[in-house]
Amino acid sequence: KQEVTQIPAALSVPEGENLVLNCSFTDSAIYNLQWFRQDPGKGLTSLLLIQSSQREQTSGRLNASLDKSSGRSTLYIAASQPGDSATYLCAVGTGFQKLVFGTGTRLLVSP
Amino acid sequence: EAGVAQSPRYKIIEKRQSVAFWCNPISGHATLYWYQQILGQGPKLLIQFQNNGVVDDSQLPKDRFSAERLKGVDSTLKIQPAKLEDSAVYLCASSSAFQGISREQYFGPGTRLTVT
Repeated sequence: KQEVTQIPAALSVPEGENLVLNCSFTDSAIYNLQWFRQDPGKGLTSLLLIQSSQREQTSGRLNASLDKSSGRSTLYIAASQPGDSATYLCAVGTGFQKLVFGTGTRLLVSP
Repeated sequence: EAGVAQSPRYKIIEKRQSVAFWCNPISGHATLYWYQQILGQGPKLLIQFQNNGVVDDSQLPKDRFSAERLKGVDSTLKIQPAKLEDSAVYLCASSSAFQGISREQYFGPGTRLTVT
């Protein structure tokens, strides 16, 4: 059974810092890995999708990497801003397009 | 492009009552998902549809939960009777994924259910 863990559970940084969020999964047989952002009381916004054959994806200040053999992914956020404050969820695609989610990292960026 | 629509946004019911949620996916998306997100946890898949057929409902509590996707477009999720532990956010997502081709899932705003 696939299990996804995210560390740390919460993170507080001052504005402008670069930061890394970690995601680990127990079964390397995955189709893809998707990072989401969730604002309080809102649904999930897709940030990046990495296919199993890819090593990384970039979008603006965000960079996500994938190492299937070690069961790890990282989300790198450059020059963090207060608007980046949210919960970040990692989800692994298993079986037929089914996502298994981690419990998330709650990020607070202070001005 | 319109996103995934869900209604209602909030619902408060008493235990043992019934409730229904509605979802309209992104136009053209063949795959539709219902997730349950309990406070402080990541979403958990309840049921996955491919067009109007069920692909995976292994985590759906079938004694009280049911879902349908008539005509392969809109979907409804029903709970009858509700229990206190059903209090959660119910998220609908859709994807253009088909026959093993991997695609992003897009989520609606969710329905927050409180069972008292």
